[in-house]
Amino acid sequence: EDQVTQSPEALRLQEGESSSLNCSYTVSGLRGLFWYRQDPGKGPEFLFTLYSAGEEKEKERLKATLTKKESFLHITAPKPEDSATYLCALFTGGATNKLIFGTGTLLAVQP
Amino acid sequence: DVKVTQSSRYLVKRTGEKVFLECVQDMDHENMFWYRQDPGLGLRLIYFSYDVKMKEKGDIPEGYSVSREKKERFSLILESASTNQTSMYLCATGANYGYTFGSGTRLTVV
Repeated sequence: EDQVTQSPEALRLQEGESSSLNCSYTVSGLRGLFWYRQDPGKGPEFLFTLYSAGEEKEKERLKATLTKKESFLHITAPKPEDSATYLCALFTGGATNKLIFGTGTLLAVQP
Repeated sequence: DVKVTQSSRYLVKRTGEKVFLECVQDMDHENMFWYRQDPGLGLRLIYFSYDVKMKEKGDIPEGYSVSREKKERFSLILESASTNQTSMYLCATGANYGYTFGSGTRLTVV
């Protein structure tokens, strides 16, 4: 069964304190892995798509990496405005093109 | 940028009412999806559609139906709202390069 697990559930950082969020997955055929940011009461905002092991994508203070079993979202020198829930999702393609989501990591960055 | 517009941000409905949630996308995508999001459970797929008038059940379709009469519009219908359908409802569209979500509808059934 295709499955995705995110850890930790919650993370509190001081401003400037770098860290990483983990997304572990088991899937029969990975067509892509998506990262999203979600602010309270809003829809998820697309960040990155990763397609194959070894791939990396960057955007400002965020960097996403992918291996055959997991993906990391590295946050370098975070700021309070980076506080949000970060979601990863598997794209398995096929007839459905549906996404399988993890339950997210709630990140709080304190000034 | 793809825009996905959900008609209501907040809705309060009574138990037993028929509820319509509307979603419109402006980029001619074939695939459209309805998810609900609940604390601790994450996003769960209710229904999806990969073409006009085509629909497929997701993981939790019970109590819901959908309509897709036009490519840009995908509606979620709660046939008889119940309190366990209180949730955040999210519409999405896209393909393998990324999916775009609407801003969500917070539905409360009382």
